[in-house]
Amino acid sequence: AQSVTQPDIHITVSEGASLELRCNYSYGATPYLFWYVQSPGQGLQLLLKYFSGDTLVQGIKGFEAEFKRSQSSFNLRKPSVHWSDAAEYFCAVGTGGFKTIFGAGTRLFVKA
Amino acid sequence: NAGVTQTPKFRVLKTGQSMTLLCAQDMNHEYMYWYRQDPGMGLRLIHYSVGEGTTAKGEVPDGYNVSRLKKQNFLLGLESAAPSQTSVYFCASSYPRTSGETQYFGPGTRLLVL
Repeated sequence: AQSVTQPDIHITVSEGASLELRCNYSYGATPYLFWYVQSPGQGLQLLLKYFSGDTLVQGIKGFEAEFKRSQSSFNLRKPSVHWSDAAEYFCAVGTGGFKTIFGAGTRLFVKA
Repeated sequence: NAGVTQTPKFRVLKTGQSMTLLCAQDMNHEYMYWYRQDPGMGLRLIHYSVGEGTTAKGEVPDGYNVSRLKKQNFLLGLESAAPSQTSVYFCASSYPRTSGETQYFGPGTRLLVL
């Protein structure tokens, strides 16, 4: 069965430090991969997505993610975190039908 | 261009009461979705629609019904609310492609069932 795992329930980083959020998926073929961000009290907003081609994907707000087929991973990175990045981040997998599978989310806390 | 809007933003129900959540989108999207979000479980698909007049069950459809009478609106109904339906409900819409397309989300409806 298809699944998405985000191993870290929450992460705390200092402002200005680098960030990496982990995402692993289980799917038989090459999936569509997404990262969404949810600010408190808001809906989800797309950060970036991968369909094919270059495995390093650039997104909004300075985020990037790298698709590694051998590791079934799609980790999200940012070189320098800002206080406004504090939010919940969801990795998602599109399986080619009408269904998108979301991970449980990773909540990011940013220390001043 | 308001995107995806949801009504109401917050509601408290007693067990056994009914209610309807309204989702509206002004992007002319064909596909619309209802999710529920619970702590530690991410988003789970309740029902979805691939066009006006069509609906289908998602991952957790029990206790919910939906209707898509107009392309821009997608209604989620709870006929007899239960405490297990306490959750945050999100509506989303997307272009008429496969799940490779971006979903656009509304701000959510917080529902508390006592």
